[in-house]
Amino acid sequence: GENVEQHPSTLSVQEGDSAVIKCTYSDSASNYFPWYKQELGKRPQLIIDIRSNVGEKKDQRIAVTLNKTAKHFSLHITETQPEDSAVYFCAASKGRGGGNKLTFGTGTQLKVEL
Amino acid sequence: DAGVTQSPTHLIKTRGQQVTLRCSPKSGHDTVSWYQQALGQGPQFIFQYYEEEERQRGNFPDRFSGHQFPNYSSELNVNALLLGDSALYLCASSLNGQPYSGANVLTFGAGSRLTVL
Repeated sequence: GENVEQHPSTLSVQEGDSAVIKCTYSDSASNYFPWYKQELGKRPQLIIDIRSNVGEKKDQRIAVTLNKTAKHFSLHITETQPEDSAVYFCAASKGRGGGNKLTFGTGTQLKVEL
Repeated sequence: DAGVTQSPTHLIKTRGQQVTLRCSPKSGHDTVSWYQQALGQGPQFIFQYYEEEERQRGNFPDRFSGHQFPNYSSELNVNALLLGDSALYLCASSLNGQPYSGANVLTFGAGSRLTVL
């Protein structure tokens, strides 16, 4: 089955710096790659996603890039703020629609220091 | 519009007992998936229900079972609890047949925190 690896497990940055989290996946049939943010004691919430027919997607300070050949994708957060501190999970899914399971990475604890 | 709701939020059980967790999907969603999130780990897929049937299953033993009702709500049952079953159990809903995007993204509930002593 699909396997998703995520690095680093912890990341500490200064406020205003950029943060990059990287994930690799094993199943070349995977075609949907969401990123979830989970604050302590809260539910995972989708922050951005990308499909396999797109190489990059941006939403304000957040961007995701996808390299299908290398089977890896990355989350980029610019101008980090203290409220960005949370655990971030990447995930991968294959298939056509909203009934397909997500395989998650192990998470990255991001700490934005003042 | 209520999102995904789960109950109970916290519960404590002892080894060998049985537990039932409940989930109501987001309005307009018809597919319910259950995930187990151990401390410090990513969510692990347990199974998914659509049209009141289990459609996909992850690598979990038969002690884990579920049900979906005609109103799309769902239950997760775990029998013969083990210490290793202690985790946050997340329910997520989506709309079958529509690509994950826009309004149809996998939406999680706040979870049920199960502690097995």
